[in-house]
Parts: sequence; C-alpha cells; structure tokens
Amino acid sequence: DQQVKQNSPSLSVQEGRISILNCDYTNSMFDYFLWYKKYPAEGPTFLISISSIKDKNEDGRFTVFLNKSAKHLSLHIVPSQPGDSAVYFCAVVGSQGNLIFGKGTKLSVKP
Amino acid sequence: DVKVTQSSRYLVKRTGEKVFLECVQDMDHENMFWYRQDPGLGLRLIYFSYDVKMKEKGDIPEGYSVSREKKERFSLILESASTNQTSMYLCASSLPATYNEQFFGPGTRLTVL
Repeated sequence: DQQVKQNSPSLSVQEGRISILNCDYTNSMFDYFLWYKKYPAEGPTFLISISSIKDKNEDGRFTVFLNKSAKHLSLHIVPSQPGDSAVYFCAVVGSQGNLIFGKGTKLSVKP
Repeated sequence: DVKVTQSSRYLVKRTGEKVFLECVQDMDHENMFWYRQDPGLGLRLIYFSYDVKMKEKGDIPEGYSVSREKKERFSLILESASTNQTSMYLCASSLPATYNEQFFGPGTRLTVL
C-alpha cells in the first residue's frame, strides 16, 4: 500500500508560468518531507525540504507548502524554466530514517 | 564537492549470473542505501546500512544481498540474476541524523537477458 502518492504522472507548463506538483501521504506520524529532482541518466538531487513544524519553506524559485490536516504537500516553481524539466519525487522520512518515495511526476516546461 | 560513485553506468548480464554493483562515497557518511527505480513505481528501497558490517532490509530485499566491509563502500549483490531485476539501481549515502538529505550516485542501468 502506497504511503506516499503523487497522483499526476506528468505535468506540462509554459515557460514563465507556475508549476505546482502535488503529493499526499497516509501516515500522520511522518514529520519530515523532501523533494528530489531527477534528470534522465542521473541520480536524484535534493531540492528542498520541510519539517512538520512549518507550513511553508522557500528557496529561490522553489516553495514547498505543507498541509498537515490534509496530509498533503505541494511544490511550487515560479517562474518555471525549461531547465526545470525533470522528474520530481516527493519523499518522507520513514521510521528507520530511510526515505519513502512517491512514484514521481514528470514536469515538462515548454519554451 | 560531495561524491557518490557507482562502478558501472550500464551493465548487461545473463539470467543466473551473480552480479556485483559497487558504490563508493567520499563524504565519510555512516548511512548508505540501495534503491531501484522502475517506470511507474518510483524509487524503492532494497537494503540500507547504518554502519560497517551492519545491514537492514528495505521494502524489496528478495533476490538481493549486500556487503559493507568498509565505511565508504556498499555493495549490492544479485545472487542469481533474473529478468525481473532489469532496472536502474541507485546508491545513496547520508549522515547519521534522521533528517539529513541523501546524496545519490548516477545510477547503474542493469539489463538481465
């Protein structure tokens, strides 16, 4: 049973517009959340994280929002650039310190 | 600059062969992880290790084993490769604290014929 769900396998956005990637989780005990970005033929790279004591974390063009009551987080990219085209994985820290990943959302930013 | 390296980018093996995938990190990290990535399934944890000689099963350990003889090296072993183990294998490492980010290697694309 999936503990981390990314229900949109793909998303297409025009350059300059906002990209919103969504993620839902099932366990209210999860308290640390991360987003990773992955280009083809490369390993994932860490993008941004948020702990459950916050509801927003910002880093440049990237903002992560956490809604604990809904068990939902989202990643906003503003403005989107063609170089942002990649697969984005949402992850939570599991009870053993491991990461539990969603299935990923492929973002395409069109010029 | 932090670095996780994997011994091969691409590997082709035959069914029944014993396969070794090697991962080395130069960041003196205690934690190391092996994942596989498959289309539509995301990244799934195979095994991880918190210290030398220690190992823990992840979500899908069947058909795999691991070895951690030195802190910087974590090996994934396919005892008898099967076609359903054709996948992208990713190694990662992190510091011991729970909320530290994991650094990933470039991955090994393994094809089992």
